Amino acid sequence: QVQLVESGGGVVQPGGSLRLSCAASGFTFSSYGMHWVRQAPGKGLEWVAFIRYDGSNKYYADSVKGRFTISRDNSKNTLYLQMNSLRAEDTAVYYCAKDLLGPLGYWGQGTLVTVSS
Amino acid sequence: DIQMTQSPSAMSASVGDRVTITCRASQGISNYLAWFQQKPGKVPKRLIYASSSLQSGVPSRFSGSGSGTEFTLTISSLQPEDFATYYCLQHNSYPWTFGQGTKVEIK
Repeated sequence: QVQLVESGGGVVQPGGSLRLSCAASGFTFSSYGMHWVRQAPGKGLEWVAFIRYDGSNKYYADSVKGRFTISRDNSKNTLYLQMNSLRAEDTAVYYCAKDLLGPLGYWGQGTLVTVSS
Repeated sequence: DIQMTQSPSAMSASVGDRVTITCRASQGISNYLAWFQQKPGKVPKRLIYASSSLQSGVPSRFSGSGSGTEFTLTISSLQPEDFATYYCLQHNSYPWTFGQGTKVEIK
C-alpha cells in the first residue's frame, strides 16, 4: 500500500534552514508528481510546492518562492523540501502528498516545523 | 493567482440536517475542484475530486457539484462522524489554492 513518511522537522531559529524528507513506498515513485502542503497551528491548509515525476518542472506558492526548493531523488524514492530564510509564519505541519485520480489522493502523517528564537 | 472563497467559515448543524458548503473561484477553473475533510489532529482526507466524483470509500451522503466558478459540497444527512472542517481546493492552475475552510460543529 502507498506509504509517505515525512521527517526532518524540528525547531529552527528565524533566518535558519531546514530540509524535510518524504520517503515513499508502495508505488512507482518515479512515475508520479509530488506535492508539499502545510498547515500552521490552528489554521487552514496551504499548498506549498509541486515537482513533476522527473523533476523537470517545479511550482511554488508565492509565500515560499525564492526561499524553498522542492527536489526529488528517484533512486532513493525520496522527496525533499529545502527551506531557507525561515520565518515565524513558516511554522506548520508539513505534509507530502501524491495525486491519485485527481489531486492529493494520498497524504503522509506530516512533520512539524517550528521557527522560533 | 486564483482565489478560493469558501462559505460559511463555520456553521452549527444537527444530526440529520442537510448541509451545503460553497466555494467560489476568482476565475473559471472548469471542474478542477476537490473537497477535503479534516478532523482535529488528523490528516486531511479527500472526499470529492473533479467537482463531483466521489472518492472510493466515502459515504454516498456526500456529493459535489459545480463548474466554472461556483461549487458546492452537500452532506444530505449529517452524521456524528461528519463534524469536521471541510476545505475546497482548485487545481486548475499553479499555484494551487485552498479555500479557508468551513468548520461544521454540533448544534
